[in-house]
Amino acid sequence: GIQVEQSPPDLILQEGANSTLRCNFSDSVNNLQWFHQNPWGQLINLFYIPSGTKQNGRLSATTVATERYSLLYISSSQTTDSGVYFCAVFTNAGKSTFGDGTTLTVKP
Amino acid sequence: SQTIHQWPATLVQPVGSPLSLECTVEGTSNPNLYWYRQAAGRGLQLLFYSVGIGQISSEVPQNLSASRPQDRQFILSSKKLLLSDSGFYLCAWSARGGSYEQYFGPGTRLTVT
Repeated sequence: GIQVEQSPPDLILQEGANSTLRCNFSDSVNNLQWFHQNPWGQLINLFYIPSGTKQNGRLSATTVATERYSLLYISSSQTTDSGVYFCAVFTNAGKSTFGDGTTLTVKP
Repeated sequence: SQTIHQWPATLVQPVGSPLSLECTVEGTSNPNLYWYRQAAGRGLQLLFYSVGIGQISSEVPQNLSASRPQDRQFILSSKKLLLSDSGFYLCAWSARGGSYEQYFGPGTRLTVT
């Protein structure tokens, strides 16, 4: 099946710093999503981005489908950005594969 | 707007006991429905998905089963729980015939003792 690799596995930042999270996938996909899992376990949708670039406030994402990777940018990080960021790829209505996530810790 | 509910939020069950977790979606019709499990410190593993009432596809062999008795209701069950069934169970939905963008419920944290 398709493989999804996220890097780095852990990231520690000082408040106000910028960061880039990467997601590599091994095959063509129909859909790619970025999620933020908060301390209570809730998965928050950040971006649906099978290709191209999107921005939402301090967050932006770029997917280069032909090269099989996606990047999530977090600018001016805040302590509330802490948590686990997951990349997930979907090849059809049922088949999904999640990466193991990047655990982000933002220190005040 | 669409909302997805899961209950219970937390559950502690002894080994060998039965399990029933429920997921319901409001504000949409004919959704695709999904059950995932998340082990501690890991990503999500797809367990089951359904494209309609009574239509269930299983992704991994396991001690669990799923049913969809109504259009917007998805149930995860087990007849006898194992210690390895412990984890965080998440239900998700996506629109039929759309982009397959998935939206997740709040999850159920299951501890088998």
